[in-house]
Amino acid sequence: EAGVAQSPRYKIIEKRQSVAFWCNPISGHATLYWYQQILGQGPKLLIQFQNNGVVDDSQLPKDRFSAERLKGVDSTLKIQPAKLEDSAVYLCASASTDTQYFGPGTRLTVL
Amino acid sequence: AQSVTQPDIHITVSEGASLELRCNYSYGATPYLFWYVQSPGQGLQLLLKYFSGDTLVQGIKGFEAEFKRSQSSFNLRKPSVHWSDAAEYFCAVEGNFGNEKLTFGTGTRLTIIP
Repeated sequence: EAGVAQSPRYKIIEKRQSVAFWCNPISGHATLYWYQQILGQGPKLLIQFQNNGVVDDSQLPKDRFSAERLKGVDSTLKIQPAKLEDSAVYLCASASTDTQYFGPGTRLTVL
Repeated sequence: AQSVTQPDIHITVSEGASLELRCNYSYGATPYLFWYVQSPGQGLQLLLKYFSGDTLVQGIKGFEAEFKRSQSSFNLRKPSVHWSDAAEYFCAVEGNFGNEKLTFGTGTRLTIIP
């Protein structure tokens, strides 16, 4: 069974630029999550989708972050404009029942 | 809201020695509990999980964890570590009243010395 796929794996941008991350969940998983993991910390949930609807985006900084999940499969997370403090690993996870499975993450460096 | 505490930021053990990583949680009832491992540059891999039933849970790679309700703990153990176990370990808790967030601890970095 293929795991959660994410791209790109690494991204370096200047502050105030925009960036987008892509996630392809495990086939058949209705629930998709985006997490932000700052160095030295555990992952923090940004947004949760159930199919193509948003379940929880309470911790998403909506002035600069946006996410969508078209057709209830792939998802993209965008940051516009990026700030220095957005440097982190962005993890995507998917779940069918009570267990989340994580992708390899995208490491973002904002200079 | 639930929370997780991993008191040990960094642990060093010798290869072949036993290991115990501590995890304490705060939640009003019995939550779902997880241990994940993250190798450098990798995503999180699920080691084991506890939902209910037997309080001693077996996982992959020879790991086990024991849920102790009286101590609000879910410590991870391995009888004999291998150099490949060097990684970051995260304990996580999820409420079980439907649609609750998975909350992670800050992680414990495990170093293995020969």
